Amino acid sequence: GENVEQHPSTLSVQEGDSAVIKCTYSDSASNYFPWYKQELGKRPQLIIDIRSNVGEKKDQRIAVTLNKTAKHFSLHITETQPEDSAVYFCAANSGGYQKVTFGIGTKLQVIP
Amino acid sequence: DAGITQSPRHKVTETGTPVTLRCHQTENHRYMYWYRQDPGHGLRLIHYSYGVKDTDKGEVSDGYSVSRSKTEDFLLTLESATSSQTSVYFCAITPDRGNTEAFFGQGTRLTVV
Repeated sequence: GENVEQHPSTLSVQEGDSAVIKCTYSDSASNYFPWYKQELGKRPQLIIDIRSNVGEKKDQRIAVTLNKTAKHFSLHITETQPEDSAVYFCAANSGGYQKVTFGIGTKLQVIP
Repeated sequence: DAGITQSPRHKVTETGTPVTLRCHQTENHRYMYWYRQDPGHGLRLIHYSYGVKDTDKGEVSDGYSVSRSKTEDFLLTLESATSSQTSVYFCAITPDRGNTEAFFGQGTRLTVV
């Protein structure tokens, strides 16, 4: 099955700085890579996703890059704000039936 | 938010008792999932369903069973609860088109004492 590794597990940045979270995956057949944000006590919610036919995708201050050859993908948040503080999960699909495997999560703290 | 609700939201139960968590959706989606969330482990798939009466195991299925007799309901049963099953449980649904966003329920915090 798919194995997704995510790092760092915790990340502190000053407000306005950039944050980068990196993930690797094992299944070369994976073709869908979503990122979820989970605020304290809330449910995970999708913030951005990328498919294997695209190398980069941006949505305002958030961008995701994918390197299929190296089997890694990254989340980039620019101009961080206190409301970006949350746990971020990367994921990759595996097998059929739309299953995804999640990374262990990165707790991002943005210091005002 | 997608129409997905979990019940109960909180539960405390004793070791050895059976427990059933319910996930209800109003989206008529085919795919439903149960995850558990634990510190240091992220979200791990317990069981999933790809249609009425069609279910399969995820990576941490031991000690859990599921049932789906109607499109809208996906039940997770802990057959004999253990302290290691203390966790936050999330149900999720995905639209029928391939590989798209998963919508999560609010979560159920289960404590086994």
